[in-house]
Amino acid sequence: DQQVKQNSPSLSVQEGRISILNCDYTNSMFDYFLWYKKYPAEGPTFLISISSIKDKNEDGRFTVFLNKSAKHLSLHIVPSQPGDSAVYFCAAFTSGTYKYIFGTGTRLKVLA
Amino acid sequence: DVKVTQSSRYLVKRTGEKVFLECVQDMDHENMFWYRQDPGLGLRLIYFSYDVKMKEKGDIPEGYSVSREKKERFSLILESASTNQTSMYLCASRFPGLAGGTYEQYFGPGTRLTVT
Repeated sequence: DQQVKQNSPSLSVQEGRISILNCDYTNSMFDYFLWYKKYPAEGPTFLISISSIKDKNEDGRFTVFLNKSAKHLSLHIVPSQPGDSAVYFCAAFTSGTYKYIFGTGTRLKVLA
Repeated sequence: DVKVTQSSRYLVKRTGEKVFLECVQDMDHENMFWYRQDPGLGLRLIYFSYDVKMKEKGDIPEGYSVSREKKERFSLILESASTNQTSMYLCASRFPGLAGGTYEQYFGPGTRLTVT
């Protein structure tokens, strides 16, 4: 049972436009959500996170939105740059535990 | 600068061999994790350790064991490697989250293991 789903395996966006990556979850016990970026032959690097008590968190060009009623989160990248081309994973976590549940990833390609 | 290192980037082993994957972090983190990443399956937790000599099974521990004798080092052991353990193995560490913390994990570069 996939508790965290990224239904789009890939996404292509023009440079300068907005990239929107989506993630759905099923477990209402999750109270913390993270986005990671992964380049080929490298480990994932942390991008941005959001607690379930918030519905939005911004960090520069990256914004994460959380819709708890829909059990949905999204990552917006504005403006998109070619260097953003990577695989993006969302992860969910229940505080007090050690288990992060990762989605299957979305490969973003930003076209110059 | 935060650093998690893994002993090998690429490894080729034969079926039945005992395989050791080493991970070292220099951040004095208490929590360490081993994941495997497979296409279409994302990252799946094999084992984690919340402190020295402490370990907990993750979602897919079968065929693996771990060792954490020192805080900075977390080893993953494949007792008898099989072809279905061919995968990318990722180690991560984390400082136990405090209220308001980000709970982020720091990942190593990964070890691409091929079992033939």
